[in-house]
Amino acid sequence: DTGVSQDPRHKITKRGQNVTFRCDPISEHNRLYWYRQTLGQGPEFLTYFQNEAQLEKSRLLSDRFSAERPKGSFSTLEIQRTEQGDSAMYLCASRLTGLNTEAFFGQGTRLTVV
Amino acid sequence: DQQVKQNSPSLSVQEGRISILNCDYTNSMFDYFLWYKKYPAEGPTFLISISSIKDKNEDGRFTVFLNKSAKHLSLHIVPSQPGDSAVYFCAALEGGSNYKLTFGKGTLLTVNP
Repeated sequence: DTGVSQDPRHKITKRGQNVTFRCDPISEHNRLYWYRQTLGQGPEFLTYFQNEAQLEKSRLLSDRFSAERPKGSFSTLEIQRTEQGDSAMYLCASRLTGLNTEAFFGQGTRLTVV
Repeated sequence: DQQVKQNSPSLSVQEGRISILNCDYTNSMFDYFLWYKKYPAEGPTFLISISSIKDKNEDGRFTVFLNKSAKHLSLHIVPSQPGDSAVYFCAALEGGSNYKLTFGKGTLLTVNP
């Protein structure tokens, strides 16, 4: 399967704990995006990378959130000191640079903070 | 402030009939629009798109119509099939936005056999 892969698929954590999610994009895709989807809402943009450079971050991404894409391949999204409001589906997408080329989404990581 | 609005949370149609999903937007800077389909426990899958320089784009059973003056687009599925049952998201892009998609809340389509 050469699609976008996310791990883990589900994560339950206690409030205050740190969690880290991983995204493996389609191999030749240089752009990688993170979105968050809460219940009853559409996905909301969090941040994106071009190769290893993080080029933009949404104001939704508080100081407790950090994302990396070392070597321009896989990416990680870490949430420190999780809060119940962080419970959501975290989606990763990748695409090639180019006018209106399609973004491919992974299956997401569902985070539940208890 | 919801820049992309899908005012119908759900829609139910009979197999073989037409499904029409609607989407309104408020940001005049949007110049590219997409529809994504999402099954439970899966990520969104791209379905069809339209540039603001066009008013219609067709791909098999799926047609998207864009009315720029009304800031409105719609997705037509003809004929509808039970496998089309999913949540459909309307999304929009601003020119030069580096593909930061702005999504609506989605419409759950149920196609009954």
